[in-house]
Amino acid sequence: EAQVTQNPRYLITVTGKKLTVTCSQNMNHEYMSWYRQDPGLGLRQIYYSMNVEVTDKGDVPEGYKVSRKEKRNFPLILESPSPNQTSLYFCASSLRGQYTEAFFGQGTRLTVV
Amino acid sequence: QKEVEQDPGPLSVPEGAIVSLNCTYSNSAFQYFMWYRQYSRKGPELLMYTYSSGNKEDGRFTAQVDKSSKYISLFIRDSQPSDSATYLCAMDGNNRLAFGKGNQVVVIP
Repeated sequence: EAQVTQNPRYLITVTGKKLTVTCSQNMNHEYMSWYRQDPGLGLRQIYYSMNVEVTDKGDVPEGYKVSRKEKRNFPLILESPSPNQTSLYFCASSLRGQYTEAFFGQGTRLTVV
Repeated sequence: QKEVEQDPGPLSVPEGAIVSLNCTYSNSAFQYFMWYRQYSRKGPELLMYTYSSGNKEDGRFTAQVDKSSKYISLFIRDSQPSDSATYLCAMDGNNRLAFGKGNQVVVIP
């Protein structure tokens, strides 16, 4: 089954404690991206990657890091989480770019206290 | 002015009614226009996408794009309770998708 898998689905952490949210896709897609979704603000892109070892900032990259060492994985790293990073996070992948269908993961609900 | 404007107000309609949703945008570079559907506690899934101005139909769903007015619409005919979800418009440009804020639609049986 074609899918994008995120882990964990739910996470509560404390300010400053580094965390990683994993994302893996099994569709051999080149393009992967991370979004956060907040009430009243909608979906905003954090980072994207057009292929292995190629990453770039989206609209709200501050406080986040990503890496793309292999095609299927695109982890999101919060080096020092803060309460304003409490949000619902989605990873997505698509075959070549944004104009092809983006498949989204199930989401990770992160709470930073 | 935001790149993509979608009035996020919730919408409740009786079963069988036509649901009408729309977005406006300001970036003339947008070429692909999409509608995503998001059920509660799920990730968005692509519902329809269009490239040029005009209409596209898929079953009970019709997407319209008017590039001259920078306006896109989604119509859902004969709405069903299973259509209850949040609908997000999205547009591609510059290697990223720009999303509207989404409309929560509730279809009442």
